[in-house]
Amino acid sequence: AQSVTQLGSHVSVSEGALVLLRCNYSSSVPPYLFWYVQYPNQGLQLLLKYTTGATLVKGINGFEAEFKKSETSFHLTKPSAHMSDAAEYFCVVGGGYQKVTFGTGTKLQVIP
Amino acid sequence: DADVTQTPRNRITKTGKRIMLECSQTKGHDRMYWYRQDPGLGLRLIYYSFDVKDINKGEISDGYSVSRQAQAKFSLSLESAIPNQTALYFCATRTSGDNNEQFFGPGTRLTVL
Repeated sequence: AQSVTQLGSHVSVSEGALVLLRCNYSSSVPPYLFWYVQYPNQGLQLLLKYTTGATLVKGINGFEAEFKKSETSFHLTKPSAHMSDAAEYFCVVGGGYQKVTFGTGTKLQVIP
Repeated sequence: DADVTQTPRNRITKTGKRIMLECSQTKGHDRMYWYRQDPGLGLRLIYYSFDVKDINKGEISDGYSVSRQAQAKFSLSLESAIPNQTALYFCATRTSGDNNEQFFGPGTRLTVL
C-alpha cells in the first residue's frame, strides 16, 4: 500500500520569499517520487523526480526537493518565489507497475 | 503540435447521456491513463492501459468504460452521465520503466447537468 500527504492545501508567500511545500509518503517498496505543477487552465507537467541514491533533486524553474528516507518526506523548495510560480503543485508516489498515487495538491499564491 | 491531445476540451451534457472523451498521443508510449480531477481531491485514476490488450481498472472506475483502439488512442466513455461526474478529466501517457514520468494532455472539462 502507498499513500501521499501534502500538508496545506493553500500556501501564500511574498514575492522573493522562500517557498516550502510539504510532502510525506508511505510506501512498502522503495518509492518513486515526483512533483508536478499545474498552471491555471493547463495540464500537469513534471517539475522534478527522485532518482535512487540522490538526496537533493533539482528541477525546472529553480525548484528542488530533498528526499529524507528517515522522515519519509520529499518537500519541495525554491529559495525565492516569483509571481510566475503561482500554480497548483502535486506530489506523486509510485510508477512502473506500482499504483500511482497523487497527493491532493497545494495551491501556491505569490503576493507582490 | 502537442504530444498528448484530448477532445473535446469542454463539454456540457445532460444526465443520462452517453459521452465519449478521446485521447491521442504521438509520443509512442505504451502506457496510457485516464484521471479525473476534483477540487481538493487531487487526481484520481479511472482506468489505465499498459498496451492495446492490457486494460485495468483504477480506483474509481464505476460508471466509466474505456477502449484502447490503437497504441496511440485511448477513449473514456460515460455510458449514462450523472452530475457527480462533473469534473476535469486528464489523459496521460508514459513509457515503460519504473521511474519515468507521465505526460499529460490539456484536459477536458465536463459538466453534467
